[in-house]
Amino acid sequence: SQKIEQNSEALNIQEGKTATLTCNYTNYSPAYLQWYRQDPGRGPVFLLLIRENEKEKRKERLKVTFDTTLKQSLFHITASQPADSATYLCALKASGSSNTGKLIFGQGTTLQVKP
Amino acid sequence: EPEVTQTPSHQVTQMGQEVILRCVPISNHLYFYWYRQILGQKVEFLVSFYNNEISEKSEIFDDQFSVERPDGSNFTLKIRSTKLEDSAMYFCASSGAGNYGYTFGSGTRLTVV
Repeated sequence: SQKIEQNSEALNIQEGKTATLTCNYTNYSPAYLQWYRQDPGRGPVFLLLIRENEKEKRKERLKVTFDTTLKQSLFHITASQPADSATYLCALKASGSSNTGKLIFGQGTTLQVKP
Repeated sequence: EPEVTQTPSHQVTQMGQEVILRCVPISNHLYFYWYRQILGQKVEFLVSFYNNEISEKSEIFDDQFSVERPDGSNFTLKIRSTKLEDSAMYFCASSGAGNYGYTFGSGTRLTVV
């Protein structure tokens, strides 16, 4: 069956360290994968998009990698700050689907950065 | 920064009643979506809308659901006869042409009692 999975356990790290979050998928052929931040009671906020032919994308303190052989994306936040504490969602758009933009979301990983 | 605006932020309705959730997407976006998130669960796709028609819908989006873009700015989701299991946060989103991120609204929390 098709699955997109993130580590459901919360990730607790110390301020200044690098946070690494994992997104694994099975039985999908992704066109691209997106990462979003979600704060409690709020809508997802877009962070980064990486296409299936790209290995790495960066934006300020954020970095995303995409390994289609391992069927995995890693999301890194360097020099983490308490303000980075939130739930991070990965979302996949399958290739071969119509250009409707339907995203399939993982369940999210909650990151807590301690001062 | 342009925003997607959703109203109301909270809606409580009795089972069997009709509700309309409203959204104003970003003005130059072409694709519009509704997603929902039941408390503690994943964000789930409901429907996408492009060129004034539904382009894709999920199995959740049955005959009780409908969408409309009645004018050039609003995008609505109607649930005709609400059930308890429709209680969730409903998010509207929009995107432009090309593979870019989506802009989500802050959501409408629907509670069916």
